[in-house]
Amino acid sequence: GAVVSQHPSRVICKSGTSVKIECRSLDFQATTMFWYRQFPKQSLMLMATSNEGSKATYEQGVEKDKFLINHASLTLSTLTVTSAHPEDSSFYICSASRGLAGDEQFFGPGTRLTVL
Amino acid sequence: GENVEQHPSTLSVQEGDSAVIKCTYSDSASNYFPWYKQELGKRPQLIIDIRSNVGEKKDQRIAVTLNKTAKHFSLHITETQPEDSAVYFCAAKGGYSTLTFGKGTMLLVSP
Repeated sequence: GAVVSQHPSRVICKSGTSVKIECRSLDFQATTMFWYRQFPKQSLMLMATSNEGSKATYEQGVEKDKFLINHASLTLSTLTVTSAHPEDSSFYICSASRGLAGDEQFFGPGTRLTVL
Repeated sequence: GENVEQHPSTLSVQEGDSAVIKCTYSDSASNYFPWYKQELGKRPQLIIDIRSNVGEKKDQRIAVTLNKTAKHFSLHITETQPEDSAVYFCAAKGGYSTLTFGKGTMLLVSP
């Protein structure tokens, strides 16, 4: 199978601090990884797409200086929420696909971020 | 860009009944249509997908149909069970584009 892990699963932080979330593909090489944000009872909203070794492509309205994405290897992408505020509290989910035009996306278990 | 509409937003059925969720998409270049099931607080899980070169696909109690001309696709669940209760998302994707998700349908199956 294709397994994607995400760490941490839950994080609580104070306003103004930064939080890093890791997404790993455990048994395959993920050319492309995606970061989503999901508010309660809402759909998944794509934040950015990252390809290994290149800069992430951010969706309209997503601040790239606030949500730093690094895709340093074919199995690891990180999302750093900088200077977090309560409105950043959400469920963050990553996914990964094989190949440049790989259709199927394999989702991580998500990270519940709560900013106090 | 792609726009995916999903209906209904909530669906309540009795155990054993069938459930149908419908989605429409706007980009005629879309060629991959997955359906995900998401339980509360968990990751979306792919339950079935269909590509534009076929009109129907079935996997046990789950089936998906695609009408490319009308740009709509549907999820059919037969003999529903309480464990089918979850939020279901449809999505559409074409070529090198990203997945665009519908807003989700909360399915409640009552015993």
